[in-house]
Amino acid sequence: AQSVTQLGSHVSVSEGALVLLRCNYSSSVPPYLFWYVQYPNQGLQLLLKYTSAATLVKGINGFEAEFKKSETSFHLTKPSAHMSDAAEYFCAVSPGANNLFFGTGTRLTVIP
Amino acid sequence: ETGVTQSPTHLIKTRGQQVTLRCSSQSGHNTVSWYQQALGQGPQFIFQYYREEENGRGNFPPRFSGLQFPNYSSELNVNALELDDSALYLCASSLEGSGPTGRDEQFFGPGTRLTVL
Repeated sequence: AQSVTQLGSHVSVSEGALVLLRCNYSSSVPPYLFWYVQYPNQGLQLLLKYTSAATLVKGINGFEAEFKKSETSFHLTKPSAHMSDAAEYFCAVSPGANNLFFGTGTRLTVIP
Repeated sequence: ETGVTQSPTHLIKTRGQQVTLRCSSQSGHNTVSWYQQALGQGPQFIFQYYREEENGRGNFPPRFSGLQFPNYSSELNVNALELDDSALYLCASSLEGSGPTGRDEQFFGPGTRLTVL
């Protein structure tokens, strides 16, 4: 079975502070992992994906994530938060079938 | 390059009615997936179409059905609407190579928000 757990439904950070959004996965096969961002009234936009190449994945808008098999984690980080980063973030796993399994999401608030 | 578009943007129906949601895939994409996103939840996979054939289905009842047309646009049909069907319905298109792998990037549309009263 495949699933992801996102720890913390809401995360608040000050502008310029480190962003850390947590994601743990469960997969019976080597997973492909994704982070998506959703702005209000919009669809999902891919931030980055892990496809079994480098364990540290760099994405758009300064985000990156590290795949840690021993911890079954794929946490999303950004060194310095910007006001425009305020959005809902979803971690997803693809077991190699034809669909994505999403977590419940983490709403990021950036405090000026 | 045109992105994924969905229509309508919003829709209000009453319980027991039927609804059709439409999706236009990104240019050149031959695979479309539909997801249901309830309020405060992550998207849940409904089904996927590849070259006009259903190619995988999530845990949704048969009253959720779909079509993909030769131009790769798609429809999601829901019969006998229930209150719990109220959600944002997302369409995502992707380009599959020799066959669906699920690992190609899916490009999402803005969604259709369905309210069932």
